[in-house]
Amino acid sequence: AQSVSQHNHHVILSEAASLELGCNYSYGGTVNLFWYVQYPGQHLQLLLKYFSGDPLVKGIKGFEAEFIKSKFSFNLRKPSVQWSDTAEYFCAVIYEHSNNDMRFGAGTRLTVKP
Amino acid sequence: KAGVTQTPRYLIKTRGQQVTLSCSPISGHRSVSWYQQTPGQGLQFLFEYFSETQRNKGNFPGRFSGRQFSNSRSEMNVSTLELGDSALYLCASRNGQASTDTQYFGPGTRLTVL
Repeated sequence: AQSVSQHNHHVILSEAASLELGCNYSYGGTVNLFWYVQYPGQHLQLLLKYFSGDPLVKGIKGFEAEFIKSKFSFNLRKPSVQWSDTAEYFCAVIYEHSNNDMRFGAGTRLTVKP
Repeated sequence: KAGVTQTPRYLIKTRGQQVTLSCSPISGHRSVSWYQQTPGQGLQFLFEYFSETQRNKGNFPGRFSGRQFSNSRSEMNVSTLELGDSALYLCASRNGQASTDTQYFGPGTRLTVL
């Protein structure tokens, strides 16, 4: 079955630490990949997306993600986190020919300690 | 442009009742998707509408239905409510039908079933 896995349920970091959140998807052909963020009390916002081309994608607020096709991965990174990055992060995939059925991972809660 | 709006924001119902949730997409967007978000199951796709037609449906029982109007506004209906239907229901809109079109999410309707 087509699915998305996020390895970490809860990550706790201190400010200025580097961040890497894992995301793996099951094989299903061509994919479009997304990272969304949900700040406390706010709605889901798109951080970045990958459709084709350069596998290293830069998004808003200093986030980036790398698509590694051979590993079916799309990990999210940020070199130095801030307290304001405290939020829940969701990886999502749309498989080709799925009629836009967006599959989300379970989410990773990030807590950044000041 | 105004973002995706959802009404009501909070709703409390009892088992067996039915409920209708409303979503107004971003102006000019013709595609509306609905998702259910729960702590246990995460974000799950319900259905997508484009130009008043349901394009895709997730794995939910027939008690969950929806429709889209000519102005692209969408409603979602849940009949014979069960306790397990308590969730945050999210609506998202996009400009076209392509999976590469960015999806913008609304703030959600928090449904509590007692």
